[in-house]
Parts: sequence; structure tokens; C-alpha cells
Amino acid sequence: AQSVTQLDSQVPVFEEAPVELRCNYSSSVSVYLFWYVQYPNQGLQLLLKYLSGSTLVKGINGFEAEFNKSQTSFHLRKPSVHISDTAEYFCAVTEGPGGYQKVTFGIGTKLQVIP
Amino acid sequence: EPEVTQTPSHQVTQMGQEVILRCVPISNHLYFYWYRQILGQKVEFLVSFYNNEISEKSEIFDDQFSVERPDGSNFTLKIRSTKLEDSAMYFCASSEQGLAEQFFGPGTRLTVL
Repeated sequence: AQSVTQLDSQVPVFEEAPVELRCNYSSSVSVYLFWYVQYPNQGLQLLLKYLSGSTLVKGINGFEAEFNKSQTSFHLRKPSVHISDTAEYFCAVTEGPGGYQKVTFGIGTKLQVIP
Repeated sequence: EPEVTQTPSHQVTQMGQEVILRCVPISNHLYFYWYRQILGQKVEFLVSFYNNEISEKSEIFDDQFSVERPDGSNFTLKIRSTKLEDSAMYFCASSEQGLAEQFFGPGTRLTVL
């Protein structure tokens, strides 16, 4: 069975500082990995995804993540955060490829950008 | 860009009442899903649906829940007799055949009083 661990429930960071949100996963098969962002009172927006190929994945809003198979990690990074990045970030995994596969989400990390 | 839509955005109901949450998946997608997020908690899988039948369901998806694709475009989640603990945000998602990437709708916030 697949699972996702987000090690930090809350991450405060000053505006324009770099940030890393950590995510580890476990699965017995190959996986697809995702980061979703949820702004207050809104739905889930896909930030970026790793399906195959290059282990460094670039997403929207200047975020990127690196898939590390040996460490079973998929940490999310941004070199310089903005106030508008304040949101909750969910790491997610699904066992791919093919067919119906449920997405398993982590508990979420609340990123608070401090002016 | 095609997207998954959900209606209503917010539903308030009395305990014991039936509710139907509606979703319109992306038109060429064949796999459909419901997830829920209780306030302050993580998003949890409820059910997946393919070829007019349930593919997988979680332990949350008990006899009070049902899903249906009543026509070629809608995908619904019915809760027969709502409980207070059903209050949550419900997300619909869909995916293409053979791909694992799921596209999520904006969610329906269900409040059970």
C-alpha cells in the first residue's frame, strides 16, 4: 500500500526567502508523484507532477521538486517566496501507470509567508 | 482548457436528509473519483468508478454512499441519510484511460446541521 509523509505541518518563512517542503513516500511499485496547493476556501490546484523522465520537475508559480528514488522523497522548493504563496501544500502519490488508481495524499504543510 | 466542474459549491442540509453532489468530469475521461476533506484534515479517497461500476472504494464509503453516472456527462455522489460527520469538502476527479494523473474539481462544501 502506498503512503505519504509530510514531515512539517507548518512552515513559517520570510518573504523572499527560500523554502523547502518535505515529502517522503512509500510504495511497493513505481509511482507518480504530485504536489497540490490549496488556497484558503478553495479547491486543489496541481502545482507540479513527476510521471517519468527528468527527476527535477518544474511547476507553476516558480516551484520545483526533485524525485529521489533512493531516498523515496519528493521535496518541493522555491528559491524566493511571495506573500501570495501562503497556502496549504499537499504531496500526493499514485501507483502508475494505467487504469484507475486512487491518489493518496499527505497530511499537508501550511506555508505561512511572513512580510 | 477543459476542467472538472462541481455543483453546488456549498450545500447545507439537515441531519438525516439525502444529498446529491454533482460533478461534470472532463469529456474524454473514463475514470471518475470522489474524495473528501474534513476540515483541517487530509484529503481522503472515497471511491473510483469505471465502465459504469465501482472499481475501488474505501472503508469510508459505506452503504450510505452511492455513485452514479446517470448520463454521458454527469457523475454524482449520493449520501442517503447524512450525519454530522459527513460535513466536509467533497472533491470529484477524473482521469484519462491509461494515465494516472487525475484532474480535480473545485469541490462542494457539505455542511450537515
